Amino acid sequence: NAGVTQTPKFRVLKTGQSMTLLCAQDMNHEYMYWYRQDPGMGLRLIHYSVGEGTTAKGEVPDGYNVSRLKKQNFLLGLESAAPSQTSVYFCASSYLGDSFSNQPQHFGDGTRLSIL
Amino acid sequence: GQNIDQPTEMTATEGAIVQINCTYQTSGFNGLFWYQQHAGEAPTFLSYNVLDGLEEKGRFSSFLSRSKGYSYLLLKELQMKDSASYLCAVRPRGKLIFGQGTELSVKP
Repeated sequence: NAGVTQTPKFRVLKTGQSMTLLCAQDMNHEYMYWYRQDPGMGLRLIHYSVGEGTTAKGEVPDGYNVSRLKKQNFLLGLESAAPSQTSVYFCASSYLGDSFSNQPQHFGDGTRLSIL
Repeated sequence: GQNIDQPTEMTATEGAIVQINCTYQTSGFNGLFWYQQHAGEAPTFLSYNVLDGLEEKGRFSSFLSRSKGYSYLLLKELQMKDSASYLCAVRPRGKLIFGQGTELSVKP
């Protein structure tokens, strides 16, 4: 029973490099989310998706792109990494946000990303 | 705008009761969640409130007052393993807005 799986778990990048974080869920959830978590800042929403083929901006979208080509996968891309993007990134998924209002978001274990 | 406030840190003694408060101001409301997050781990779901009142689940209870924009998480019979960060999150419409979290330290 995998739930939400994130790869990789750790990564170190140099400024200007690009990379893609992968999130996969096996719960047939419609909604998927990418957050970043920084000390003292809580979880901040980067981008989210309400279904296959759709994406939307969250609170802090600049410098990131996302794609949801398949319902079970949600990819987060950094085109040109900057030190300010050093953070822990969490992916989450849930059933339809309002129709199933008591259903929580399920989180992956996180990706620890350092940009030098 | 959207704003969620929680105390940054709290300390309590093993076996005691602790109450973690959360106040919020959001454009719309469709539920409030509490999550627990141990250091280095993912947040895990604790409780959900959408109507006013108290929801009890074992040692954990959560209260909501929508008119006051206020919630609290009550932890009874504290155990050392309850040392963690507790996140309050409000759902205005579909997505969640998180508070910064309250770091709870349980001392022997």
